[in-house]
Amino acid sequence: ETGVTQTPRHLVMGMTNKKSLKCEQHLGHNAMYWYKQSAKKPLELMFVYSLEERVENNSVPSRFSPECPNSSHLFLHLHTLQPEDSALYLCASSQDMVSGAGFQETQYFGPGTRLLVL
Amino acid sequence: AQKITQTQPGMFVQEKEAVTLDCTYDTSDPSYGLFWYKQPSSGEMIFLIYQGSYDQQNATEGRYSLNFQKARKSANLVISASQLGDSAMYFCAMREGEWSGGSNYKLTFGKGTLLTVNP
Repeated sequence: ETGVTQTPRHLVMGMTNKKSLKCEQHLGHNAMYWYKQSAKKPLELMFVYSLEERVENNSVPSRFSPECPNSSHLFLHLHTLQPEDSALYLCASSQDMVSGAGFQETQYFGPGTRLLVL
Repeated sequence: AQKITQTQPGMFVQEKEAVTLDCTYDTSDPSYGLFWYKQPSSGEMIFLIYQGSYDQQNATEGRYSLNFQKARKSANLVISASQLGDSAMYFCAMREGEWSGGSNYKLTFGKGTLLTVNP
């Protein structure tokens, strides 16, 4: 496989369930991200991992728990979610590096997981 | 103030014609990067084009070009010869600040423009 893959593509869960979202990148990148996209709102950054260490957590509720076991895999563990957490969850990866006078750090996204919390 | 402003919620264009999608940005940092992404109804965010703040020339990628006007802080996307498959949401995004090896990963996205290409 190539690029960034995410599973499952669709998920319906109750508020008491525990589930996990999986992201895998096949691009040899060293940084991975979780974003949340709600209806009519801009994309919101949730978590950033660089070289498998978390470098940013944008005040995300503790019911979302990320895990990055290696540079190719990223998980988002979900528990006791609320209906307002229903959204498209996008994973991205990038190769952050300096190149000459500037730098290129394009983030490449996966297809997303559409989550519905009942 | 919004960091990224996309003033066109929706745009229509005839197939084979060119279309410009507007994006203005707000930053006081001299170093930044600007990105355009396409999001079809399937949900995947597809990278289209990148412009660095220090780049002297406007970026081009196939049918996509970026009209970068630094003094006006605008980074409009031009799609030439529109195709039916270009119908999608288009997002402008910005990364601010010099890369310092660990802290400047955040992309700020605009609200997007929904482009519809008519046959």
